[in-house]
Amino acid sequence: NAGVTQTPKFRVLKTGQSMTLLCAQDMNHEYMYWYRQDPGMGLRLIHYSVGEGTTAKGEVPDGYNVSRLKKQNFLLGLESAAPSQTSVYFCASRRSRDGGYTFGSGTRLTVV
Amino acid sequence: KNEVEQSPQNLTAQEGEFITINCSYSVGISALHWLQQHPGGGIVSLFMLSSGKKKHGRLIATINIQEKHSSLHITASHPRDSAVYICAVKRVSVHSGAGSYQLTFGKGTKLSVIP
Repeated sequence: NAGVTQTPKFRVLKTGQSMTLLCAQDMNHEYMYWYRQDPGMGLRLIHYSVGEGTTAKGEVPDGYNVSRLKKQNFLLGLESAAPSQTSVYFCASRRSRDGGYTFGSGTRLTVV
Repeated sequence: KNEVEQSPQNLTAQEGEFITINCSYSVGISALHWLQQHPGGGIVSLFMLSSGKKKHGRLIATINIQEKHSSLHITASHPRDSAVYICAVKRVSVHSGAGSYQLTFGKGTKLSVIP
């Protein structure tokens, strides 16, 4: 089925470890986003991309890096995980600046 | 004060009831989104609107730009409607920078529909 696929779905990391979250979409969307969702807070934008080869910082970018080498993939990296990065991470995409959003199913990350 | 406020935070309804969830915002916007987050965690986009009213099945979304307020209505509610409903606004931006691409999200309204 067409949509946004996130891998992995769950992960437990130790403080200081690194990992990469993968977001893949097969809808030829230009815009892709990484959000984090924490209890009692709305979704917050980490980084986003307006097209292949471009990335930009969102509201809470510290501690994360991203890459968009291919149009269909948007990678979120944690170089040195911290307990404050325990969260649920959502990827989203949309075709155009004014289009509707399609979300992935989320990645639940725990940093111990 | 949050730029996007939803009410109520939690709502319990009997099956068949008419449900209203409210969203108020304090900034100028170009569009407002309603999203549904299932108990399993997945998020689905329900509506995107900039004026008036939209309807899809038993769901109706309205927006009053002058009053900076939107409502999501569910008619003939069903237990499968149990979810968190999230309001998000796309702020008006005169620049083409980050703000023009960002959504600001409310904290969500948790709806439980009891059989």
